[in-house]
Amino acid sequence: KNEVEQSPQNLTAQEGEFITINCSYSVGISALHWLQQHPGGGIVSLFMLSSGKKKHGRLIATINIQEKHSSLHITASHPRDSAVYICAVNSGGSNYKLTFGKGTLLTVNP
Amino acid sequence: DVKVTQSSRYLVKRTGEKVFLECVQDMDHENMFWYRQDPGLGLRLIYFSYDVKMKEKGDIPEGYSVSREKKERFSLILESASTNQTSMYLCASSEQGPILGSGNTIYFGEGSWLTVV
Repeated sequence: KNEVEQSPQNLTAQEGEFITINCSYSVGISALHWLQQHPGGGIVSLFMLSSGKKKHGRLIATINIQEKHSSLHITASHPRDSAVYICAVNSGGSNYKLTFGKGTLLTVNP
Repeated sequence: DVKVTQSSRYLVKRTGEKVFLECVQDMDHENMFWYRQDPGLGLRLIYFSYDVKMKEKGDIPEGYSVSREKKERFSLILESASTNQTSMYLCASSEQGPILGSGNTIYFGEGSWLTVV
């Protein structure tokens, strides 16, 4: 069983819809990362969080440490949001080793 | 703008060839990483380095070696390329946190697509 599980694996939405991607993990962590990967390969860090909630534009990330769960929300989704979204965690005691989820492929149709 | 640059985007190599993948970062980061990404398996850590000349094995180091002679440059070496090393390779870097376990934003390169025939 992977230590980091994401759901759903694939998500198709219409432009303007509210999107939620979930991440659950089974180990103690010091930080959780949300990453975005567009076709072609490059990965961009969206958020790093260890508690509470962060917001950047239309993106919101939340984490519940007790429940070992994080969500990434996209409000007013747009076709340019189409990408793979990856959750990754820094396990406790390590500031370098990341454990990655397998990613969620989001497609937003116009 | 912070930048992690991978020297080659697309490579095709023959089985048995020695392959070098180069990565340079301009952020003065202590930590540098090499990952490979395969469908259905996600990103897996090959090697990482936390300082010049320092390296540690990741989860899948077999068949690979690395070199970090300068802080900004981290090279991945496939001593004798094999077809099962066909993959997308990603370099990344991050700062060394002041507190162990604090986590730091990680910056990725654009990826290098390697095909071994």
